[in-house]
Order: sequence, then structure tokens, then C-alpha cells
Amino acid sequence: DQQVKQNSPSLSVQEGRISILNCDYTNSMFDYFLWYKKYPAEGPTFLISISSIKDKNEDGRFTVFLNKSAKHLSLHIVPSQPGDSAVYFCAARLHTGTASKLTFGTGTRLQVTL
Amino acid sequence: EADIYQTPRYLVIGTGKKITLECSQTMGHDKMYWYQQDPGMELHLIHYSYGVNSTEKGDLSSESTVSRIRTEHFPLTLESARPSHTSQYLCASSPPGLNNSPLHFGNGTRLTVT
Repeated sequence: DQQVKQNSPSLSVQEGRISILNCDYTNSMFDYFLWYKKYPAEGPTFLISISSIKDKNEDGRFTVFLNKSAKHLSLHIVPSQPGDSAVYFCAARLHTGTASKLTFGTGTRLQVTL
Repeated sequence: EADIYQTPRYLVIGTGKKITLECSQTMGHDKMYWYQQDPGMELHLIHYSYGVNSTEKGDLSSESTVSRIRTEHFPLTLESARPSHTSQYLCASSPPGLNNSPLHFGNGTRLTVT
């Protein structure tokens, strides 16, 4: 049972426009959400995060929105740049006793075209 | 900047061979993780460690084993490789405490078992 879902495997956006990547989750006990970016042949790199007690976090061109009632979060990139072309993974954190684990989605491949 | 190193980057090996994937980090992080990822799929946690001599199995069952004899080193071993072990293996670390520091990933080892 996949607890974190990214239903769009790919997205193509023109340079300068807004990219919106979506993520849905099922476990209401997740307390922290992160977005990672991954280029081919490299490991994921952290992009932006949001606590479950907030509904928005912004960092430069990147904004993450959290809608807890809908169990949905989204990543907005504006304006999109060709260097943003990568696979984006949504991740959610769950605390179980002394352990803290991340559950990842399957990723969305973003292509920013000229 | 995160410094976490994985070797080898690519490995092609025959069935039945014993292999060890290396992971080292120079940040003094106490928590280290191994994730497995197949193309187009989510990252699955297969092992984690919260300190020296502490190792736990992750959410995805794996025939691999790990050890944590030193803080900076978290190798993963497959005693007898099989084609089903073909995948990308990603090592990650995070600092001490129940905090919101994101995972830092290495560049991964892409393993192919023929």
C-alpha cells in the first residue's frame, strides 16, 4: 500500500512558466514533508520542506503548499528554468517510537523546455 | 555541503558473487540509511543505523546485510548476488537529534547482476 503518491510520472513546462508538482498521502500521522530533486546518475538532493503545522513554505523560486484536510501537498516552481529539469520526489516523515522514517513517492520527471 | 561517498558508482557482477557496497560520510552524522530504488519507482528503506553497533532492517525486505563499526562507515553486503538484486542503492545520513534536518544522499551505486 503506497502511502505517498505522485500520480503524474512526467510534466513538461515552458521556460519562465510555473511548474506545479503534486503529491498525495494517506497517513495522517506524517509530521514533516520534503521535496527532493534528482538528476540522472546522482543521488537526491534536498530542495524544500514543510512541517505539518504549516500550510506554506517559500524559498526563492520554490514554494511548497500543504493541505492537511485533503492530505495533499504541491511544489510550485516559478519561474521554471531549464536547470530545473530533473525528477522530483515527495517524501513524508513518520515518527515511530525512537525511529524516524521517510516514505517516498515514485517521483515526477519535470522537463523545462525553451 | 554534505559529504557522503559511495563506491563503486557502477558494478556489473555475475550471479553468486559476494559484493560489498561502500558508504562513508565525513560529517559525523550518527544516523545512516540504505535505500533501494528501481527506475520509475519510489525509494525503499532497506537498512538504517542510529549509531555505532546499531543496525535495523527497513521497510523493504532485503537479503543484504549491513554493519556499523565506525560512525563514518556503513557498508552493505550481499553474500550471493542474484539478478533480482539489480537496482540502484542509495546511502544517506542525517545529524543527531529528533530534528528536521533532511537526509543527505550519496550518488548511489547502480548494481547489475548478470
